[in-house]
Amino acid sequence: DTAVSQTPKYLVTQMGNDKSIKCEQNLGHDTMYWYKQDSKKFLKIMFSYNNKELIINETVPNRFSPKSPDKAHLNLHINSLELGDSAVYFCASSQRPQGVREAFFGQGTRLTVV
Amino acid sequence: AQKVTQAQTEISVVEKEDVTLDCVYETRDTTYYLFWYKQPPSGELVFLIRRNSFDEQNEISGRYSWNFQKSTSSFNFTITASQVVDSAVYFCALSEGSRGSTLGRLYFGRGTQLTVWP
Repeated sequence: DTAVSQTPKYLVTQMGNDKSIKCEQNLGHDTMYWYKQDSKKFLKIMFSYNNKELIINETVPNRFSPKSPDKAHLNLHINSLELGDSAVYFCASSQRPQGVREAFFGQGTRLTVV
Repeated sequence: AQKVTQAQTEISVVEKEDVTLDCVYETRDTTYYLFWYKQPPSGELVFLIRRNSFDEQNEISGRYSWNFQKSTSSFNFTITASQVVDSAVYFCALSEGSRGSTLGRLYFGRGTQLTVWP
């Protein structure tokens, strides 16, 4: 069983479209995250939820909106996609905030905006 | 300012060589956590190790070993007798443990691309 699963793995879309990436974890973790990896492979946090409550909201355009229907799911919705949004987006979860336990990552979603 | 610095962008070695990946971190917190992750060509991020700031004991796991030195703010990673399958990007990361608003945030270094040639 996959611990942290994201769908889709690849997403190609046109500028201006709206898209969503789904994430689910079956580890029973309380905290979930979204990270963005740019073309130079730099990883940076975007959002963090703990028990469905937003606890980290990095400086991210408000076109990006996370939604956590329950603590096992954290979806990422992106409105009005731009070329610069092309990146790999990783979902992750940890038992408690990262400081206590390691985070486990999904396989990533490669988003390409054309 | 970069909290985690991996000065080596790329390293190439031949199989069976030992290789050390450097990681230097910066934090004012007394409680913090350090991590190494591996990203193979397939793209997933694989957790390797977690170390807290109160435990400076070095760790060995098979061919992998980690050297944590608070005096130099370094957390270096050594692969002994490298193999082709070790080829990947390796990331060092820091989490600060004492600030509520940032608890949980992982600060990543920019990664070191390791290529092991047969």
